[in-house]
Amino acid sequence: DAGVIQSPRHEVTEMGQEVTLRCKPISGHNSLFWYRQTMMRGLELLIYFNNNVPIDDSGMPEDRFSAKMPNASFSTLKIQPSEPRDSAVYFCASTEARREQYFGPGTRLTVT
Amino acid sequence: GESVGLHLPTLSVQEGDNSIINCAYSNSASDYFIWYKQESGKGPQFIIDIRSNMDKRQGQRVTVLLNKTVKHLSLQIAATQPGDSAVYFCAENEGRGSARQLTFGSGTQLTVLP
Repeated sequence: DAGVIQSPRHEVTEMGQEVTLRCKPISGHNSLFWYRQTMMRGLELLIYFNNNVPIDDSGMPEDRFSAKMPNASFSTLKIQPSEPRDSAVYFCASTEARREQYFGPGTRLTVT
Repeated sequence: GESVGLHLPTLSVQEGDNSIINCAYSNSASDYFIWYKQESGKGPQFIIDIRSNMDKRQGQRVTVLLNKTVKHLSLQIAATQPGDSAVYFCAENEGRGSARQLTFGSGTQLTVLP
């Protein structure tokens, strides 16, 4: 199994631009999570999906952030417009019925 | 002004010695706990988990101990190797219904000295 796949691995963009991060969960996993990791705040849960349905988005910082999961094998996290304070590493993780989550390699986002 | 980041606890051990990494959790209703290892530039990697009906679980070179009375979790690594150098996170889950959120601790930086 290839594990959780994320793209791009690195993204550098200018303030005000739209950013789209992509995730392919492990095949057969029915829950998908988006996290953000910064030195200031550590690892924070942004949103999670169960069977493609958003269950809890209370961690999404503000309306500039949105996430979708159109099918079981693909999810996106979009930031529009991006701001320098959005600079962080964004992780996607997936799990099946058991509760251990498997993380992707992350996308390092830099907003200048 | 300058921003201040999280001050990660650090642990330095000699190669070959045993390591013990500690974690205090806050939610007495949590019934599932996980340890993750995160190497530089990579995502967190699952190491071992334990449910609240157990107080000890062993894996390959790792042991997790759970003390529910004082809400304390520890990870023991036997014969620590250079490849064990990483940040280690504990995480807890309350497990209500279908909820699968994990709440992560701030992490401990383990450095293995040659």
